[in-house]
Amino acid sequence: EAGVAQSPRYKIIEKRQSVAFWCNPISGHATLYWYQQILGQGPKLLIQFQNNGVVDDSQLPKDRFSAERLKGVDSTLKIQPAKLEDSAVYLCASSLVVGVSDTQYFGPGTRLTVL
Amino acid sequence: SQQGEEDPQALSIQEGENATMNCSYKTSINNLQWYRQNSGRGLVHLILIRSNEREKHSGRLRVTLDTSKKSSSLLITASRAADTASYFCATSLIYNQGGKLIFGQGTELSVKP
Repeated sequence: EAGVAQSPRYKIIEKRQSVAFWCNPISGHATLYWYQQILGQGPKLLIQFQNNGVVDDSQLPKDRFSAERLKGVDSTLKIQPAKLEDSAVYLCASSLVVGVSDTQYFGPGTRLTVL
Repeated sequence: SQQGEEDPQALSIQEGENATMNCSYKTSINNLQWYRQNSGRGLVHLILIRSNEREKHSGRLRVTLDTSKKSSSLLITASRAADTASYFCATSLIYNQGGKLIFGQGTELSVKP
């Protein structure tokens, strides 16, 4: 079974530029999560999708971050414009079960450096 | 403030020794999960313990949960150099129907050969 795929693995941009990350979850997984992990900290949930719909985006900085999950499969997370404090690893995860917390399967992450 | 707090923040042991990491949380949970993260990689699920369970085992891993003290511990027995990683506890809140997990800051484990 293929795991969660993410691209790119690394990205370096200058502040005020825009960047997009892509995630392909495990086939059949209804729930998809985007996390931000700052160095030395645990992952923080940015947004959670259930199929096409948003379940939780309470910690997503909506003035600069946006995410979509078209057709309930792949997802993209965009930052525009980026700030220095956005430097972090962006992790995508998916889970099979809908509505209750279960095992989450994580991708390798995208390491973003904002200069 | 963090829902889950791990202790210690860093732990260094010799191969063959046991490693114990603790997690405390503030509000009632549905379940608690432990994840491992190797440097530069994504997180890997280790074990899930539900609020009505007190202990679970998986291979060399033993997890306990004390809901009265709002705490959990992860024991890794007979540690190996390959166990070197960061370990995170994650809690699912009892009233959360969306499956959201809240992660702690993690314990950085170093196992020296």
